[in-house]
Formats: sequence, C-alpha cells, structure tokens
Amino acid sequence: DAGITQSPRHKVTETGTPVTLRCHQTENHRYMYWYRQDPGHGLRLIHYSYGVKDTDKGEVSDGYSVSRSKTEDFLLTLESATSSQTSVYFCAISAPGLSYEQYFGPGTRLTVT
Amino acid sequence: QKEVEQNSGPLSVPEGAIASLNCTYSDRGSQSFFWYRQYSGKSPELIMSIYSNGDKEDGRFTAQLNKASQYVSLLIRDSQPSDSATYLCAPVQGAQKLVFGQGTRLTINP
Repeated sequence: DAGITQSPRHKVTETGTPVTLRCHQTENHRYMYWYRQDPGHGLRLIHYSYGVKDTDKGEVSDGYSVSRSKTEDFLLTLESATSSQTSVYFCAISAPGLSYEQYFGPGTRLTVT
Repeated sequence: QKEVEQNSGPLSVPEGAIASLNCTYSDRGSQSFFWYRQYSGKSPELIMSIYSNGDKEDGRFTAQLNKASQYVSLLIRDSQPSDSATYLCAPVQGAQKLVFGQGTRLTINP
C-alpha cells in the first residue's frame, strides 16, 4: 500500500459522537486525499491537502473537517457522526513527480449506529 | 450527465479471452487518465496510466485514449480468474483531483 497506513481499520461509533481517522505516509508526498466509498456512488473526494496546513474541500465535505500539521499525517474528523457517514474511508497520496498518480491506503470501515 | 461513465456490469468473460472495459468522461480539460483495479474488500490499486492519445501497453494490459471522443478504454488480454475485480476509470481534473467512475465489475469464468 505504498507506505500508507490508516487507523483505525474498523470502528463502530454512535450517532452524535466525534470520530477522527488518521492517515500516515512514509513517502514524503506532498498531496494527500480523503475519499469515501459507498455502493452506488463509487469513490467520492471529501477533502484534500496540497501541503502542510493547506487543505481544500472536495465534493462531499459537509460534516467533515481535516487537518495536516505534518507532511506525513492527514486527519479526517467527523464532528458529530451521523448514520449517513457509515462508509469505507480511503486515504490516498500523490506527488508532482509521479504525474499525480494516486496511491491508496488500506481503508477504514466506519459504522455509525 | 455523470462526469465519468462506465458500464457497471457485471461483465463476464471466459478465461483466456480479451476483456474490454470502457469509460467516457465529460471534462475536456482532463489530460491524464488512470485505471484502478479493486478487489472486493480491498483498496484501489493503480494498474495503468495514460496521458497521450493512442495506445499504451503494459504486459497483458493496454490502455487506449481518444481525447477528441472523450473516451478511454482498458483491454486485458489472456484474461485470468485473478483479473476478476472492479475496474475504476479516473480522469484527473483541476488541482490534481481524480474523478472516479462507479466502476465495471469484471468476472473471468474458468
């Protein structure tokens, strides 16, 4: 998985609780991305980062926030989890020298009850 | 109109035959295109990238790009049961973002 880890790999949480997912890379790549994948919707971009402290929204950013204080770590926070945020979450990384090819982490399966 | 369209399948191909996967996209500004393979319960894996019109071959895989028609395809020769997976087409859009199709589920029958 191209030096990318995600934690936790599985999580069950209750509606209304905050949840933070972590993506950690050892490749020193500049760009990092958070996606969610749901049946019938495919992969959708939540937020991305183009450098430390530089982030931007994707197409499904409502209810999510991100932070990147170090090159290697990109955190995704669900401020108050809802059942609609039950999904599989993938982190990806890329670098300009790779023509922006993206490489994915193993994913986190999140269930909000 | 969806930004990236793929036939969801399932596409069933006999072992040893050629599997042909198609993708159309709406953003004429896209210059780079990727194909990912995703096994059930796993993360997407990059298998091909293509940037210029024409064909690009890598082993049993050939990617084809026609920017005028906004069409990209993936051919898998000598299909193997291990090729059974969902294949995702992803053009690059502005700010180095990928837009994914919903994927085509491919089944190779022994």
